[in-house]
Amino acid sequence: GAVVSQHPSRVICKSGTSVKIECRSLDFQATTMFWYRQFPKQSLMLMATSNEGSKATYEQGVEKDKFLINHASLTLSTLTVTSAHPEDSSFYICSARDGGYGYTFGSGTRLTVV
Amino acid sequence: ELKVEQNPLFLSMQEGKNYTIYCNYSTTSDRLYWYRQDPGKSLESLFVLLSNGAVKQEGRLMASLDTKARLSTLHITAAVHDLSATYFCAVDIRERSQGNLIFGKGTKLSVKP
Repeated sequence: GAVVSQHPSRVICKSGTSVKIECRSLDFQATTMFWYRQFPKQSLMLMATSNEGSKATYEQGVEKDKFLINHASLTLSTLTVTSAHPEDSSFYICSARDGGYGYTFGSGTRLTVV
Repeated sequence: ELKVEQNPLFLSMQEGKNYTIYCNYSTTSDRLYWYRQDPGKSLESLFVLLSNGAVKQEGRLMASLDTKARLSTLHITAAVHDLSATYFCAVDIRERSQGNLIFGKGTKLSVKP
């Protein structure tokens, strides 16, 4: 089946630094990828929709200058958290349509900003 | 505003018992998804329901969709400890041509011996 590989799985960074998270579709082409954020004991909240070769679409309240999304190829989308602060600590998950009606999710990235 | 409401949010069950989780949504959609999430892990797809009246079963779990009532259910039969997890329903937003999912708040299921 469709697989989305997400790296890193865990990252700890200092406040003020930037962190890049990668998502790759391994056996299919993903023209669109979705980025979610999940705080402890909460549901997934859609942050942005990433489109190959064009600008991402951000959900209301998500700072596009802080969460930079790049979807440079049909198999790779990246999320960069710039100037990270402790309140950005969260679980970030990407997903992609699998070519049918299903969505495949990456394994998630646990970001801790200290 | 689209709302996806799950209930209950917390469910403590004894092994061997049956129970149902409900998922109500407020917009027109005929694609409804159920996922399982274990602590510290990402989402595992359980069911994809694509039409009114769809029913799917896998092991002790059965999901159904009533698009007219905007309701999906996840029924658990003879629960076992291994089913302990958080279960999310999600609705596909058809108005967005690329499609994306709006999630319910999740139901944390704890199955006790």
